[in-house]
Amino acid sequence: NAGVMQNPRHLVRRRGQEARLRCSPMKGHSHVYWYRQLPEEGLKFMVYLQKENIIDESGMPKERFSAEFPKEGPSILRIQQVVRGDSAAYFCASSPRTAAGYGYTFGSGTRLTVV
Amino acid sequence: DAKTTQPTSMDCAEGRAANLPCNHSTISGNEYVYWYRQIHSQGPQYIIHGLKNNETNEMASLIITEDRKSSTLILPHATLRDTAVYYCIVRVDDNAGNMLTFGGGTRLMVKP
Repeated sequence: NAGVMQNPRHLVRRRGQEARLRCSPMKGHSHVYWYRQLPEEGLKFMVYLQKENIIDESGMPKERFSAEFPKEGPSILRIQQVVRGDSAAYFCASSPRTAAGYGYTFGSGTRLTVV
Repeated sequence: DAKTTQPTSMDCAEGRAANLPCNHSTISGNEYVYWYRQIHSQGPQYIIHGLKNNETNEMASLIITEDRKSSTLILPHATLRDTAVYYCIVRVDDNAGNMLTFGGGTRLMVKP
C-alpha cells in the first residue's frame, strides 16, 4: 500500500516562472491537505480539498497560489510567477475521513527553490 | 482548537525512556490529543492519538491525565533515529475537516 506520493521531490524555478506540485493521496483517501514549511520554521496549513472541492483555503496566499483536486488524478498546488520567498518545503497529507480520531498521512514533500 | 504548550527542547540518552510533556489546559471534551514527529527534512509522521484513555502502540505510549489538561508521550527505549521535532496537537472532532495546527514542538535530541 503506497503512501502519499509527492513529486517532484526537488524543484528549481527561476523568478517569474510557474511551479506545479503534485500529490497523490493514499488509496481510498479522498481528503487532501497542503502545508508549507519555510526554512527553519514550522508547518503552516495552506488548503484542504476533497475531490473537486476546496473546503478550506484560509491559509493560502491571496495571489499567485491555487490548488485543485480533480475527480481523476493527483491534487495540484500551483504557484504562478514564483518569487524567492516561495522557496520552502511543501507537504501534502491525506486522510480517508474528516473526523478526528484518525491521523493524517504525510508525503515526503517537494522542496521548491526559486533562483 | 485548544492551544498546546511544549518545552522547546529536550535531551535523552540512547536506550533510556524519553518522556515528552504537553500542556493543553483549555482542551474541550471532544478534542483528541495527537502526536506527530518530523525527522529532519522529512514529512511529519503520525505517532499516536487519544481522547481520554492511555494508549500504546508499537512506537510509543500516550498518557493523558484524568482532567485531560496535560499529556505525556513516552518513547520507551529511545534510539538515535528518534531525534526529531515532536508535535503535540489537539483537534476537535466535528466532521468539519479541521486541519491539524502545528506549533513549535519539542526538539528531542537522543545522545549516545
